[in-house]
Amino acid sequence: GQNIDQPTEMTATEGAIVQINCTYQTSGFNGLFWYQQHAGEAPTFLSYNVLDGLEEKGRFSSFLSRSKGYSYLLLKELQMKDSASYLCAVMDSNYQLIWGAGTKLIIKP
Amino acid sequence: GAVVSQHPSWVICKSGTSVKIECRSLDFQATTMFWYRQFPKQSLMLMATSNEGSKATYEQGVEKDKFLINHASLTLSTLTVTSAHPEDSSFYICSARRTSEFNEQFFGPGTRLTVL
Repeated sequence: GQNIDQPTEMTATEGAIVQINCTYQTSGFNGLFWYQQHAGEAPTFLSYNVLDGLEEKGRFSSFLSRSKGYSYLLLKELQMKDSASYLCAVMDSNYQLIWGAGTKLIIKP
Repeated sequence: GAVVSQHPSWVICKSGTSVKIECRSLDFQATTMFWYRQFPKQSLMLMATSNEGSKATYEQGVEKDKFLINHASLTLSTLTVTSAHPEDSSFYICSARRTSEFNEQFFGPGTRLTVL
């Protein structure tokens, strides 16, 4: 079966760095997405990785290793507004998104 | 570009009534739209994939006669929750994929349904 694993919850301090890991097992691979979702709102797109390596976009970076079935989202200079759930999703061979359960990130002052 | 709207943003209805939710791609054509449901503190659950001009493909466990999907044009898909019950109360989110691209999905803002 298809499976996406990510931690349920993480806590970090304002101004610090946090890394959210995601491992996956899917039938085919057409890219990995990270989305941010604030409570009561729809997900918003953060990043897309289809090749191995690190993609940097401002305070957020995303890494992919296809051979290991592994990705992480790195958030730097954490701000209180970064408190949200972070969803890892993999697009399979049918171009369908397989979703992880999400990681709730709590930022403390 | 790539804006998806949903209407209504929230709706409260009585048990037994039907509710229609619209999903529109405002500035692009979407051959495929997806309907998700999300219960509190849970991840998105794909309900069905809607393809323009054809029948929707429903995920296992989702009743196609209860959740009617119509994708009549390249910019509009509708989800009708028929004979709604309190357990149907949830956050319904649609997403749309550009006709010319297979990867990124663009999400609507979601519709909060409460069935009394």
